[in-house]
Amino acid sequence: ILNVEQSPQSLHVQEGDSTNFTCSFPSSNFYALHWYRWETAKSPEALFVMTLNGDEKKKGRISATLNTKEGYSYLYIKGSQPEDSATYLCAPHTGTASKLTFGTGTRLQVML
Amino acid sequence: NAGVTQTPKFQVLKTGQSMTLQCAQDMNHEYMSWYRQDPGMGLRLIHYSVGAGITDQGEVPNGYNVSRSTTEDFPLRLLSAAPSQTSVYFCASRNSGGAPQETQYFGPGTRLLVL
Repeated sequence: ILNVEQSPQSLHVQEGDSTNFTCSFPSSNFYALHWYRWETAKSPEALFVMTLNGDEKKKGRISATLNTKEGYSYLYIKGSQPEDSATYLCAPHTGTASKLTFGTGTRLQVML
Repeated sequence: NAGVTQTPKFQVLKTGQSMTLQCAQDMNHEYMSWYRQDPGMGLRLIHYSVGAGITDQGEVPNGYNVSRSTTEDFPLRLLSAAPSQTSVYFCASRNSGGAPQETQYFGPGTRLLVL
C-alpha cells in the first residue's frame, strides 16, 4: 500500500491569511500527482494534475508546486476566504499508472 | 452530460443482507473505480476497471464484488453486509486507465449504514 502523507491534518486560519499544505509520497516510479478540493457533503473536485518535476500550477488564489525527486508537493492558498474551507486531498500515481492513491487530506477552516 | 451518477443516495441494511450500489457515467470513460471514505482514513480504493470486461482489486476489496459489462455502468455488490461496511461510497471515472494525467471525476456518493 502506497504511503501518502498530508500535513497538517487540519488548519484554522483567519480570512485573508495565506496558508500552505504538504503532500509527501514515494518518489520512485512517479507518474502524476492530483490535487482535489472536497467540500463537506459534496464529492471531490479536481484542482490540479501535475506531472513534471518543478511543475507549478495556478488557479485563482490557489497554486501548487511539485518536486518528484524528493517526493513532495505544496499547495498554497493566498488570501484565504471562507469559501476556501474544505478538505484538500492529494493523490499520486506511482508504481501503477492506473491506480490513484489518496492521502487523508488537510482540512482547512477559514474563519471570518 | 450528467457526469457520474450514483444510486441510491442513502441506504440502511441489516447485517447479512446483500445489495448493489449503482454507478453510471455518460462520458464514455474507460476507467471506473469505487472508493470508500471513512473518518480518518481518507478515500480507499475498493475495485477498479480499466474497460468493459476488465476489473481488478484495489486496497480493500474483501466483501465486495464488481463487474463491468458495459462502458457506462460499474455496479458494486455487497455480498453479505457487515457493520464494518458502514461508510460513504464514491464512484469515479476518468477517460483512460493508462493515462495518469487524466482528471478523475467523482459521483455524489452513497451513504450506507449497516445495522
